[in-house]
Amino acid sequence: DAGITQSPRHKVTETGTPVTLRCHQTENHRYMYWYRQDPGHGLRLIHYSYGVKDTDKGEVSDGYSVSRSKTEDFLLTLESATSSQTSVYFCAISESRLAGYNEQFFGPGTRLTVL
Amino acid sequence: GENVEQHPSTLSVQEGDSAVIKCTYSDSASNYFPWYKQELGKRPQLIIDIRSNVGEKKDQRIAVTLNKTAKHFSLHITETQPEDSAVYFCAANGFQKLVFGTGTRLLVSP
Repeated sequence: DAGITQSPRHKVTETGTPVTLRCHQTENHRYMYWYRQDPGHGLRLIHYSYGVKDTDKGEVSDGYSVSRSKTEDFLLTLESATSSQTSVYFCAISESRLAGYNEQFFGPGTRLTVL
Repeated sequence: GENVEQHPSTLSVQEGDSAVIKCTYSDSASNYFPWYKQELGKRPQLIIDIRSNVGEKKDQRIAVTLNKTAKHFSLHITETQPEDSAVYFCAANGFQKLVFGTGTRLLVSP
């Protein structure tokens, strides 16, 4: 597996509390992504980063924010967690190569439960 | 933006049979089509990919075909084994990202 870790791996929290998930890579890859995975929906992109301090929204970004102050770390924050944000969250990394395509490597995932 | 549809959502086969999973994409500019396998409780892992300059790629028991004109691509698994049981995701590249299909749960019965 590529050098990607996620923390925490499991978290239970209450509605209305802030939550931050961390993705850490040792591959020095430029691109980092946050996905959520829910039954029947596959992998849906929340936010991604194409460099330090450079981020953009994905298809399900409402209620989430991100930050990337260093190449190796990409943080996902739920400002005020809701039960609809109960999910498994995956981080992925990629180093863009020729022709614009990007092979992605996934972290181990974080299971978040919002009560 | 890119949209990827994947069928079927569930596929059950007997050990030794072949399995085929199909995906369609919408953006004719997409040029990279990976397939990921996700075992229960694990992370998705790349099993094979294809670039738009080729029509077919094989790796042992798995193969992927691409029809750019029709904008669809397929994963073929031959001589299926119980360890092939997993969820499979197709994807197509959009600008700076991948767009994933909704997944196919493959169950291989002994």
